Amino acid sequence: KNQVEQSPQSLIILEGKNCTLQCNYTVSPFSNLRWYKQDTGRGPVSLTIMTFSENTKSNGRYTATLDADTKQSSLHITASQLSDSASYICVVSAMEYGNKLVFGAGTILRVKS
Amino acid sequence: GAGVSQSPRYKVAKRGQDVALRCDPISGHVSLFWYQQALGQGPEFLTYFQNEAQLDKSGLPSDRFFAERPEGSVSTLKIQRTQQEDSAVYLCASSLVGSALTGELFFGEGSRLTVL
Repeated sequence: KNQVEQSPQSLIILEGKNCTLQCNYTVSPFSNLRWYKQDTGRGPVSLTIMTFSENTKSNGRYTATLDADTKQSSLHITASQLSDSASYICVVSAMEYGNKLVFGAGTILRVKS
Repeated sequence: GAGVSQSPRYKVAKRGQDVALRCDPISGHVSLFWYQQALGQGPEFLTYFQNEAQLDKSGLPSDRFFAERPEGSVSTLKIQRTQQEDSAVYLCASSLVGSALTGELFFGEGSRLTVL
């Protein structure tokens, strides 16, 4: 069973619109939760890192939220741009896994004009 | 360079061939990780180095996979007798600190391996 599940699997939105991507995890207890952006053919780039005690963190037009009680996180993208088209990956780290970060499969976002 | 550099970016191998993938981490970064990413999936952990010590290799799928980082900087992932199921993107990441739990990981662009 996947320990980090993301939804939707893919999403198409119009440029300028907002969207929210979801991440549910079962890894517990966890150290931190990260969101990465991965452009096609490139390596993942970190957007946000949140510890279990943080509820929200922003990075420009990206805002991540975390509910450690329900084990859910979301990534909200405001005023989307064509360059936001990418895969967005939720990643959880936990003491029990040592240095093995647990990656979700990602949500593929396509922003069209 | 300023980022993590991987080479080759693309490699096509015939089944049974050996391949070597190289990773140049960010200078001074203590930790180095190798991940395997299948098409449409998230990266999966292969192995982890802290300086020259390979502290965790539990993610290596078989004994055909071997990684080294002899001087605590450049790392090489070697795959012997490649099989079609080895086709994937191999990502390298480095971190300034000695733990992935807290340190930020910087990824390279990956080496895409296709085994025919």
